[in-house]
Amino acid sequence: QITLKESGPTLVKPTQTLTLTCTFSGFSLSTSGVGVGWIRQPPGKALEWLALIYWDDDKSYSPTLKSRLTITKDTSRNQVVLTMTNMDPVDTATYYCAHRRSSSWFSWGQGTLVTVSS
Amino acid sequence: QSALTQPPSASGSPGQSVTISCTGTSSDVGGYNYVSWYQQHPGKAPKLMIYEVSKRPSGVPDRFSGSKSGNTASLTVSGLQPEDEADYYCSSYAGSDNLNVVFGGGTKLTVL
Repeated sequence: QITLKESGPTLVKPTQTLTLTCTFSGFSLSTSGVGVGWIRQPPGKALEWLALIYWDDDKSYSPTLKSRLTITKDTSRNQVVLTMTNMDPVDTATYYCAHRRSSSWFSWGQGTLVTVSS
Repeated sequence: QSALTQPPSASGSPGQSVTISCTGTSSDVGGYNYVSWYQQHPGKAPKLMIYEVSKRPSGVPDRFSGSKSGNTASLTVSGLQPEDEADYYCSSYAGSDNLNVVFGGGTKLTVL
């Protein structure tokens, strides 16, 4: 059974850097074709893809947010970390991590709501 | 503005069929057979319903089906049931040299 869980702060101040950790089980991020990514959803709005890291450490980012994002993995600890710099109130959203294969998000974490406010 | 275009709403009565469209371009939907569909109930995480245009993950009822023609993909829900009422999002691979992943704006499906 594949599970993923997001962890990190629920409240950050404007201009701060957000660090989120995705801890997963049930699969290995060293398996060919496997990836883990981050997707966010502002309250009442649509899903927005942020970043993706693959088993071979290849990384991709949303072009509109690329300058603010960094994604890394720790295969031995089954964790993927996303950092987003210069947080703004418009970044308030539920942040999900998800398991990717066959160019699809097969399993999702429960999500974590991050509020940006002073 | 989302990269893929979905109708904001769709509806049908129990037992009926409803189809939700997802329109992109030749750089995403039309260029690859990597369209996926997700169901999201209020307050819950999205759930994969269709991948690679028309494949169903284990456990997804065969009432859900997917197809694609040109730059438009479609999700059809047959034999509508009350629990199908949810938001549905499409997504497509968009190539490694472009926006890698794109989502649609979502469709609220109401079971009347």
